[in-house]
Parts: sequence; structure tokens; C-alpha cells
Amino acid sequence: LAKTTQPISMDSYEGQEVNITCSHNNIATNDYITWYQQFPSQGPRFIIQGYKTKVTNEVASLFIPADRKSSTLSLPRVSLSDTAVYYCLVGGEAGRRALTFGSGTRLQVQP
Amino acid sequence: GAVVSQHPSRVICKSGTSVKIECRSLDFQATTMFWYRQFPKQSLMLMATSNEGSKATYEQGVEKDKFLINHASLTLSTLTVTSAHPEDSSFYICSATDRVNGNTIYFGEGSWLTVV
Repeated sequence: LAKTTQPISMDSYEGQEVNITCSHNNIATNDYITWYQQFPSQGPRFIIQGYKTKVTNEVASLFIPADRKSSTLSLPRVSLSDTAVYYCLVGGEAGRRALTFGSGTRLQVQP
Repeated sequence: GAVVSQHPSRVICKSGTSVKIECRSLDFQATTMFWYRQFPKQSLMLMATSNEGSKATYEQGVEKDKFLINHASLTLSTLTVTSAHPEDSSFYICSATDRVNGNTIYFGEGSWLTVV
């Protein structure tokens, strides 16, 4: 299973763009990259998933370079409610295998 | 996105008793579900993989006789903590794969178990 490395914590202010980078040097050819957000006492919430290049949805963008050894989650104009732990996960074999969680990145948004 | 629901969201039980947690995929069928455990301020730890119609696959160090998993239908998996002890108190989270829509894995809201 590909191991991921993320910063343990990040701080930002409301209205700023936040970019969280994740390293996954051992990503396999068939692995997707998925990001989840978790608030205290809640299950992880799906944010975005991609395989290569750039993916954008209504809440975030995901940038994946050609070698796929890293990925960057971009949150535009964060608000206080974006304070949470963000997990980068790779693998899952299209849902057949469980995702292995790393330590995640604890994002603190200040007013 | 797809919805995965857990019940109960919080449960308190006495030491030595058993408690069952349900995980349902509400708007899709899930042949595979996964159970995780999370202690405060820690990451999620995979406990087992639950396959519909067959025995669950447990991670190393997880007692299969203590954490009974049943996946009797394509929309329901249950985790039963048997003979619970205070050290079993934790946040239990299930997840399921929506194979029809991009193979994305969705998580339930989690269930807090407190053993007193």
C-alpha cells in the first residue's frame, strides 16, 4: 500500500487559499488519489478524487503532476468552518481494498 | 455523494455486555464495507474488510471473536463488540464503495462507543 506524507498541521486565515501537498512516492499504476475532510466526532467526508492532471469540483481542486508522486489539494478562500483534519489517501483498488489513513493535516483557520 | 449511515451514533454499555453497530449504504449497493476504529486525536485504524456473503477479513491484531462482523446484504454490515471492556471505548467508523459511481469510498458518520 502506498504510504502518504503530509504536513502535520497548517494555519491560515479566512479568505485565503490553502494548498496542502501530499507525497506518495510509491503510488501504483492503478491507484487513485482521494482527499477526505474530517471534523471532530464525525466520519471522513469525501472532498475530491483524481488520477492525474487537475480535477476541480465545487469545493476544491486537486493538482497531480505527471509523475503522480505527489498531489496538492487546493481550498479556495477558506472559512472558519474549513478547520478540520484533511487526509490524503492513495490506493483502494477501485474500492476493493480499504484505504489506509496516514496522520492527516490539521488545518486551523483563524478569523 | 452517496450516503453511508451508521446506527447508533452514540452508545453506552456496561462492561461485559455486547453492543451492535449497523452500517448501511442508503442509496447504493456495497459488496464491500470496511470498519475502522479511531481513538481521540489519532487517525483511523482499519479493523476489517467486510464482504457480502462471506467472512470478514481482519487486520493483524484485531480479534475476530471479539469484533464480530456480519455483511448479510448488499446494503448492511454490522459490527458487534462482544464482552466489551472500557478499553474498547472508541469511535467506530464504517465505509462502503459506490462501485457504480467512480468507485469512490464513502464513510459513515461514526459511532461513539463508551464502555463503563
